[in-house]
Amino acid sequence: EDQVTQSPEALRLQEGESSSLNCSYTVSGLRGLFWYRQDPGKGPEFLFTLYSAGEEKEKERLKATLTKKESFLHITAPKPEDSATYLCAVRGGGSQGNLIFGKGTKLSVKP
Amino acid sequence: GAVVSQHPSWVICKSGTSVKIECRSLDFQATTMFWYRQFPKQSLMLMATSNEGSKATYEQGVEKDKFLINHASLTLSTLTVTSAHPEDSSFYICSATGGGGTSGANVLTFGAGSRLTVL
Repeated sequence: EDQVTQSPEALRLQEGESSSLNCSYTVSGLRGLFWYRQDPGKGPEFLFTLYSAGEEKEKERLKATLTKKESFLHITAPKPEDSATYLCAVRGGGSQGNLIFGKGTKLSVKP
Repeated sequence: GAVVSQHPSWVICKSGTSVKIECRSLDFQATTMFWYRQFPKQSLMLMATSNEGSKATYEQGVEKDKFLINHASLTLSTLTVTSAHPEDSSFYICSATGGGGTSGANVLTFGAGSRLTVL
């Protein structure tokens, strides 16, 4: 069964304090690992897709990396506007295109 | 980029009534749409996969007679919660594939979600 586990559940940072979010996954035939950002009461907003181990992608203060068992979302010098819940999801080989989501990491960045 | 519009963003209804939620792909044709449900502090749970012109595929444990899905065109899918009860109160989010642009065809684009409260 495809499964995604995210840690920590919640993370509080001071502005400028870099950290990483973890996403561990088990999936049959990975067809993509996705990172989304979700603000309260809103739908998820796409950040990155990673397809193979060793792949990395960057966007502003965010950098996503992928291994065969997990993905990390590194946040460098975060700002208060980076506060949100970050969701990790995978698409397995047997899916019709849908994603299996983790529970997310709620990030709070204090000024 | 790909945009998915969902309406209404929130709705309050009485127990026993039916509620319809619309999901539209605004700038691309969505051959497949997905409906998710999200409880507080929980992950998004797939309810059903909706393919244009055919019957929806429901996940195990989702009542197809309660959650009616129609995908009549390449840009519109609807979810109707029939005879709603308080336990149906949740955040419903639709998503679509088939968009191009910066997101790419492999990326799910999500609507803003619909908060349903059943009194």
